[in-house]
Amino acid sequence: QQQVKQSPQSLIVQKGGISIINCAYENTAFDYFPWYQQFPGKGPALLIAIRPDVSEKKEGRFTISFNKSAKQFSLHIMDSQPGDSATYFCAASNNNAGNMLTFGGGTRLMVKP
Amino acid sequence: KAGVTQTPRYLIKTRGQQVTLSCSPISGHRSVSWYQQTPGQGLQFLFEYFSETQRNKGNFPGRFSGRQFSNSRSEMNVSTLELGDSALYLCASSLFVYPGDTGGGQFFGPGTRLTVL
Repeated sequence: QQQVKQSPQSLIVQKGGISIINCAYENTAFDYFPWYQQFPGKGPALLIAIRPDVSEKKEGRFTISFNKSAKQFSLHIMDSQPGDSATYFCAASNNNAGNMLTFGGGTRLMVKP
Repeated sequence: KAGVTQTPRYLIKTRGQQVTLSCSPISGHRSVSWYQQTPGQGLQFLFEYFSETQRNKGNFPGRFSGRQFSNSRSEMNVSTLELGDSALYLCASSLFVYPGDTGGGQFFGPGTRLTVL
């Protein structure tokens, strides 16, 4: 059972545009929601993370929006750049399950110059 | 500070063989987790070790096992390899007891690409 559903699977955005990736979860026990960025041949790199006690977190051009009642969260990349072209994964974890992350299926982002 | 290192980076094995992968976490990190990444199933959690004890295990058969040493280095072993075990195996380390603990996160290594023929 996929507990974290991510959409879209792929996304093409023009340079300078806003990239938006959405995730929905089922397990209400999840209490930590990170986003990872992965380039080909590399391991995922932690971008930004949020806990359910806040509705939004911003770090530079990256913003997480969190809707606890809808069990949804999203990543917004402002002023998208060609260097942002990568695969993005949302994830979720429950502090009772240690560091076990449940990942979404991934979104392949391409930013066109 | 050096990142998570994994060895070997690439491995080719045949069906029925066994394989051992190694992971060295970031210095000071006591939690090491392993994940399998495939195009079809995405990123799936295998197991986590904390202070030499397996703390969590994902939904994988018993052919997948692991251990952690006193210096936090970890190994995972896959016995009786099957074609479907071909994947990128990722190791991640964390300083904190769990990811949300004071905002800590998991840091991934580059992975070991295992091909089973």
